Parts: sequence; C-alpha cells; structure tokens
Amino acid sequence: DAKTTQPPSMDCAEGRAANLPCNHSTISGNEYVYWYRQIHSQGPQYIIHGLKNNETNEMASLIITEDRKSSTLILPHATLRDTAVYYCIVKARTGNQFYFGTGTSLTVIP
Amino acid sequence: DTGVSQDPRHKITKRGQNVTFRCDPISEHNRLYWYRQTLGQGPEFLTYFQNEAQLEKSRLLSDRFSAERPKGSFSTLEIQRTEQGDSAMYLCASSLWKENTEAFFGQGTRLTVV
Repeated sequence: DAKTTQPPSMDCAEGRAANLPCNHSTISGNEYVYWYRQIHSQGPQYIIHGLKNNETNEMASLIITEDRKSSTLILPHATLRDTAVYYCIVKARTGNQFYFGTGTSLTVIP
Repeated sequence: DTGVSQDPRHKITKRGQNVTFRCDPISEHNRLYWYRQTLGQGPEFLTYFQNEAQLEKSRLLSDRFSAERPKGSFSTLEIQRTEQGDSAMYLCASSLWKENTEAFFGQGTRLTVV
C-alpha cells in the first residue's frame, strides 16, 4: 500500500471550510483514498473514500487530483466537534489492512 | 446500538499478568481486525479474521499475543505475561468482505501495565 504525507497540524476558524491536504504520489491504479478521523480517546471514525472521482457525503467532500497523486478532504462548515486527528489512507481495492500514518491534527478555533 | 463493541474500555494490570479483551463486531460483518495504538501514533495493524479464520498477523503480534474468533462472530485478544510496553489502546474494527469497503472501529480498550 502506498504511503501518504499529511501536515502534522492545522487550524481552522469555526464556520469556515477546513481543507485538509494529503499527498500520495506513489498511489497505484487499484488503490483507493480513505479518510478517517479520531477524536481524542475514541476509535477512528470513517469519513469518506474514493478512487478518482470527487466524492461527497453528509460529512465531507473528497477532491482527488486528476493524476491521483494528491487529495483534499473538505469539511464545509467546521464546528468545534470537528477538532480531531484526520488520517488519509491509501488502500488497495483488495487490500486487507488500513495503514494509518500520524495524520493531521485539526483544531477548530471559536 | 449496532456498532462495534469492545470490552472492557479500560484495564489496568500488573506486569506479568494475563489479560483478555473482547470485541463484538457489527453483526453481518465477516471481517474483523485488531489494531494497537500508542500515544501520538496512528493505529497499527495486528491481525485480521475472515469469519473464523485468522488470515494475517503482523510482526507486531509477538508470541505472547493470541487472537481468536471461534464462531466467526465475536473475537478475543489475549496478552500473556504483560509488559509495560504493552500499554496502549487496542482497537477492533469490522467490515464486510468486499472490495473497497470501509471498516468500522470500536471505541477501544485502554490497557495500562503497571
């Protein structure tokens, strides 16, 4: 599974969009991009995943570049409850594991 | 609640004791995973089951660790002769067995070895 690179920390003002970048320059054609988040002392929570098309659900949007070497998770209107560590994971279609890195610690500021 | 359930949520044990954790996955999920997470790090894969078969084990899973999923439903993770380095959050996750599906995690068991 390809590795990912994320900034260690970011801040975002409450009510603004939070844009979390992820670099996965070695991604291969059968690998999906997944995003999870982990609020302090809780288990990771699934957010969204995609292959090459942009995806949107009730939690977030996922924008994947055309060359698939990077992606951005967008939380459209960040709230204080979105403060968490966000993990970008690349996993093969038939892969058996999610490889977590150290993620991005997002702090939403009132 | 139909999520992944883990028990206990917290466990404090003395070094050298054995501990056992339980995970109840989402009922229709046939894959079950165990992960370990230490402070400041992301979760690290330990092992996974497809129904009752344990199909993959990480090198992190030393001989003191054993996991079972006897009837393809709940799973247990046992650590024998605990060491202080075993102190961590132990996370269980489950998923359906199909391509590009997401896994759902439990709240974890926090183990402290004193």
